[in-house]
Formats: sequence, C-alpha cells, structure tokens
Amino acid sequence: DTGVSQDPRHKITKRGQNVTFRCDPISEHNRLYWYRQTLGQGPEFLTYFQNEAQLEKSRLLSDRFSAERPKGSFSTLEIQRTEQGDSAMYLCASSLGFAGSGDNEKLFFGSGTQLSVL
Amino acid sequence: ELKVEQNPLFLSMQEGKNYTIYCNYSTTSDRLYWYRQDPGKSLESLFVLLSNGAVKQEGRLMASLDTKARLSTLHITAAVHDLSATYFCAVGETSGSRLTFGEGTQLTVNP
Repeated sequence: DTGVSQDPRHKITKRGQNVTFRCDPISEHNRLYWYRQTLGQGPEFLTYFQNEAQLEKSRLLSDRFSAERPKGSFSTLEIQRTEQGDSAMYLCASSLGFAGSGDNEKLFFGSGTQLSVL
Repeated sequence: ELKVEQNPLFLSMQEGKNYTIYCNYSTTSDRLYWYRQDPGKSLESLFVLLSNGAVKQEGRLMASLDTKARLSTLHITAAVHDLSATYFCAVGETSGSRLTFGEGTQLTVNP
C-alpha cells in the first residue's frame, strides 16, 4: 500500500490522558499536513511540515497539541491532557509540494484517526 | 481570514438529473480543490484548479474556476447513485500552504 497511513484508526481515552497519533506519508512527498474534522464539518487545518520543518500552525493548535516530523518522513501528533472537545477525526495528508503542477500540489489524505474522549 | 462557502449544503436529486454545486471564497486565490468523502472514509481528490477559467472533467463531474468572481462550480451530469457522497471544495491561499475547506455538500442521488 503506497498511500498515506495513519495509526491507530480509533482511539478512546479518558479526559486528561495524553494521546499520540502517527502518520506515514507517501514516501516521496515533502509536505505533510494535519487536519481535524468533526461530524458534518469540513476539515480544519492544524499544522504542516516541509520535510522536517514545521512551517505553519493554526491558532486552533493550543499548547496541548504538538506535532513533530523528526526525519522528514513520518509525523506524530500528540495531544496532552485531552478534553472532550478534542473528540474528532484527525486526518493526515501529504503532497509532493512543488508549485506549478496541479498533481504536485494535490493533497492525499489518510484514513484518519478517530479520537473519542470520554 | 479566508472563508469558503458552499451551497447547497444538502442536495437530494434523482438519477439522470443535472445539478451544480457552488463554492464561493472570500479572498484572492488561484488554487481550488474539490474532494469527495464517503461516510466513514477519508477524502478523495477529484480536481485541482490552478488558474482562472480552468475547467476539468472526469466522468459525470465537471469543475470550473472563476478567480475574478471567486467562484468554483462542480457540475453533475446525469447523476447516478454511486455519486452519493459529501463533496468539499477547498481553497489554498498560496502554493503548498494550508487549505481552507467549505462545510461540504451532502449529495444523495435517489433511484
């Protein structure tokens, strides 16, 4: 499978616990994005990386959220002290990232990690 | 702040009919994307539109972009049940940057 891979698919946790999600992008893709989607809404941008550099973070990304892409390959998203409002689908996407060509800028999404905070 | 609005949000149509979904956005952009999402699934890329006047077609779907009007349309021709899904448009302000998504249009095609 050469698509974007996310793990786990589902995570149930108690309020106050920490959780970590992993994303493996398509191997030659330089850019990696994290989005959050709640039921009935479009995905909301959280952050993105160009190789290992985190280039942009949304204001939605509170201090409890941290993302890393240590070697420019896979990425992790950690949520500390989870709250019920964090319950959502967390989507990872990747792209080649070179401007000018439509296909190079296309984002390929993973299947997501569904987080439920009880 | 970039805002992206889709309409309608819900669309129920009969097989064989034509319809158009509209996507308006609030700031200058020449990067417009259309995605499809089936229930419980991730997003599938349909079209990438990168210039004013761009038109792309795939099967029964055709997308267009008017950057001056800040409007994109997704036209459905002779709908079939398999097209039932939620369709999102998304706008990128600059190359490779964040995408801002609309709320989505939930399309149901009835036999």
